[in-house]
Amino acid sequence: DAKTTQPPSMDCAEGRAANLPCNHSTISGNEYVYWYRQIHSQGPQYIIHGLKNNETNEMASLIITEDRKSSTLILPHATLRDTAVYYCIVPGIRNTGNQFYFGTGTSLTVIP
Amino acid sequence: DAGVIQSPRHEVTEMGQEVTLRCKPISGHNSLFWYRQTMMRGLELLIYFNNNVPIDDSGMPEDRFSAKMPNASFSTLKIQPSEPRDSAVYFCASSFKAREFRNTEAFFGQGTRLTVV
Repeated sequence: DAKTTQPPSMDCAEGRAANLPCNHSTISGNEYVYWYRQIHSQGPQYIIHGLKNNETNEMASLIITEDRKSSTLILPHATLRDTAVYYCIVPGIRNTGNQFYFGTGTSLTVIP
Repeated sequence: DAGVIQSPRHEVTEMGQEVTLRCKPISGHNSLFWYRQTMMRGLELLIYFNNNVPIDDSGMPEDRFSAKMPNASFSTLKIQPSEPRDSAVYFCASSFKAREFRNTEAFFGQGTRLTVV
């Protein structure tokens, strides 16, 4: 599986955009980038995923660089409820299917 | 759909006892994952099933842990005998995988908080 690197923690002011970076320099051409978040004591929640093009849904936007070695998750107007640990995952394509392995993620704190 | 359903939500048991955790995946999903989360080790993938068959159990910590998926709508994770270091939150997740293709996004249950005293 492609290894991902994320900053351990970030702060963001409420109402501002939260930009969470992820490096995945060993990603291969057919591997997707997934983002999940985990709010304290809850199960991880799927946010968004992408391959090459930028993606947007009702929760967030995903910007993937042209060389695909890094990506940024954008929460356009962060609220206090967005305080969570955010995980960037690149499941590998294997004969066994691509499992989701979680790293340590980025702990985002939204400040009032 | 009610999502992935896990039971019980909380379990407290004495060391040496058998513990069984249960999971009902989302209807139509054919991949199922069991995870364990602790402060020290984070979120660890224990085992992955596809079409009810265990595909990757490399994350199962010891022979005391076993998992089964007798049908597409039910899975169990059993610990026998349990030990205090097994105390953790155990999550189940499900997704869909078409042949030759990747798993779609996985959806998680609310977890079972296990405490072994």
